[in-house]
Amino acid sequence: AQRVTQPEKLLSVFKGAPVELKCNYSYSGSPELFWYVQYSRQRLQLLLRHISRESIKGFTADLNKGETSFHLKKPFAQEEDSAMYYCALGASFQKLVFGTGTRLLVSP
Amino acid sequence: DAGVIQSPRHEVTEMGQEVTLRCKPISGHDYLFWYRQTMMRGLELLIYFNNNVPIDDSGMPEDRFSAKMPNASFSTLKIQPSEPRDSAVYFCASSRGQGDSYEQYFGPGTRLTVT
Repeated sequence: AQRVTQPEKLLSVFKGAPVELKCNYSYSGSPELFWYVQYSRQRLQLLLRHISRESIKGFTADLNKGETSFHLKKPFAQEEDSAMYYCALGASFQKLVFGTGTRLLVSP
Repeated sequence: DAGVIQSPRHEVTEMGQEVTLRCKPISGHDYLFWYRQTMMRGLELLIYFNNNVPIDDSGMPEDRFSAKMPNASFSTLKIQPSEPRDSAVYFCASSRGQGDSYEQYFGPGTRLTVT
């Protein structure tokens, strides 16, 4: 079965603190993993994908096949990072399976 | 390009009424997706189309929900009759389906409230 688990509904940190949003997946094939972000009053948009191995807005995510995880990390959180974050798994025929999302709140 | 366009942005209706949500995908995109977002269940895929043909409707909750894509630039999601538990934000998304593997572009969503 294709499944994405984001165990935290809400993650609250102070500005400058490190952030780690957890994502675990279940997939029998070779996974493609993504992080999507939804800022307040904006559309859901792609933040990064594991295949690119890039850092976007200071965020990185490493695919760990042994632990079936794709956690999103940032060493120093900023207030503008406050948003809803969704982890997604690329399944067959362009379909994405999303997790339930984690709301990140960065306080000053 | 204005991106994916959805209408209406907000819909308030009474239980039992028919609701029709509309979506215009990005021109040239071959795939169109309908999602429902709730606090409890997050983002759920309801149905998606490839070249106007439904590929997977296993996420459609029940027979009260139906979706059509009569042409490449328009899709509708209909709920008849609507129930209070259908209250959610409904998103439409589209993708090219090649090259930008899996990247989906989302519309602003329709917030549906059924009283």
